[in-house]
Amino acid sequence: GQSLEQPSEVTAVEGAIVQINCTYQTSGFYGLSWYQQHDGGAPTFLSYNALDGLEETGRFSSFLSRSDSYGYLLLQELQMKDSASYFCAVSPRWTARQLTFGSGTQLTVLP
Amino acid sequence: DVKVTQSSRYLVKRTGEKVFLECVQDMDHENMFWYRQDPGLGLRLIYFSYDVKMKEKGDIPEGYSVSREKKERFSLILESASTNQTSMYLCASSSGQGFFKSYEQYFGPGTRLTVT
Repeated sequence: GQSLEQPSEVTAVEGAIVQINCTYQTSGFYGLSWYQQHDGGAPTFLSYNALDGLEETGRFSSFLSRSDSYGYLLLQELQMKDSASYFCAVSPRWTARQLTFGSGTQLTVLP
Repeated sequence: DVKVTQSSRYLVKRTGEKVFLECVQDMDHENMFWYRQDPGLGLRLIYFSYDVKMKEKGDIPEGYSVSREKKERFSLILESASTNQTSMYLCASSSGQGFFKSYEQYFGPGTRLTVT
């Protein structure tokens, strides 16, 4: 089976940097993805890591270490609009690149 | 822009009823998915389809079935609704073309189903 662990809540202030960690145990692994979901909204794709290392997209970066079964999402220059839930997800099988999601981290950005 | 639409935003059904949730995507995506989302449990995959008439069970298929007769449409069926199926249901789609594109799933707005 698959299991993913991420903190349930993180709080930070505007302008700060926050890191959301994700550790996983899967029977197969074809990459780690991150999704953002605002209250009442649909999840939206943020990033995908297939290989070890850091991927940067604007204020957001995502890191993967396959040997440690660990990844993180780094959010810089936090803004109020970044308050949302963030989900890590692994692709345990090749078919359709299906995803298994973590339970999510609620990020609250304070003024 | 990719658009994934779901037939209802809110739905209230009685225990034992047969329930149909419909999802349509307009980007010619090969892959389609049904998830349910419950507080503290994240998104859990119910079923997915990688081609017309092709389907595979996800992590929690019990009590559900699916149908994909056309590429753009993927239906989730609750054969006999029960109260423990009260949840938010999310449909998603992704391209089957290209290594990186296939990992990006596009989600619909969700259907909040209440079974009483």
